[in-house]
Amino acid sequence: EPEVTQTPSHQVTQMGQEVILRCVPISNHLYFYWYRQILGQKVEFLVSFYNNEISEKSEIFDDQFSVERPDGSNFTLKIRSTKLEDSAMYFCASSEQGQLNTEAFFGQGTRLTVV
Amino acid sequence: SQQGEEDPQALSIQEGENATMNCSYKTSINNLQWYRQNSGRGLVHLILIRSNEREKHSGRLRVTLDTSKKSSSLLITASRAADTASYFCATLYGGATNKLIFGTGTLLAVQP
Repeated sequence: EPEVTQTPSHQVTQMGQEVILRCVPISNHLYFYWYRQILGQKVEFLVSFYNNEISEKSEIFDDQFSVERPDGSNFTLKIRSTKLEDSAMYFCASSEQGQLNTEAFFGQGTRLTVV
Repeated sequence: SQQGEEDPQALSIQEGENATMNCSYKTSINNLQWYRQNSGRGLVHLILIRSNEREKHSGRLRVTLDTSKKSSSLLITASRAADTASYFCATLYGGATNKLIFGTGTLLAVQP
């Protein structure tokens, strides 16, 4: 069964460093998303991406964050200068169509720890 | 805030029993989705129910939606130890959005 894959599964980084989280969405999907879940808290939307551009973003997704689809298969989330409060599980998701009609499939997540 | 709330926060049952989890939300939705999360792992999609639907089934899962009460329920019948997980509802609100708003989750423990 097709699945969304994320790498790495764990990432530890020093505060102030840049990190890139990588995702390979399901191949025929057109919509891509990043969500995060701080330990013990709700899953929060960060950004959605369609047709090579951001279609929607939350207040969390400030100038420190960026997304990119560098080739036909990868979808990345970059955090330019990590803060302690960026420590969380980051989930990539993709859907065949927009959420109105189809469900989103989530990856297993990347656990980011900023020290 | 436009966020779903599940209840109960935690539920412990014996294998073979049914488990019912509820979700409430605040404004009109396009659809509501239920997800499962095993401890520390990814989110697995269970069921999507649209605002014009009242009930959906998938295997041992039954989801209902009452838009007049702004609530949904997830019923797992004949539960198994492997059903132990956190269950989240996620709502897609009206308008041109692809943003899912997740609830707080119900932690289900099924005792063998």
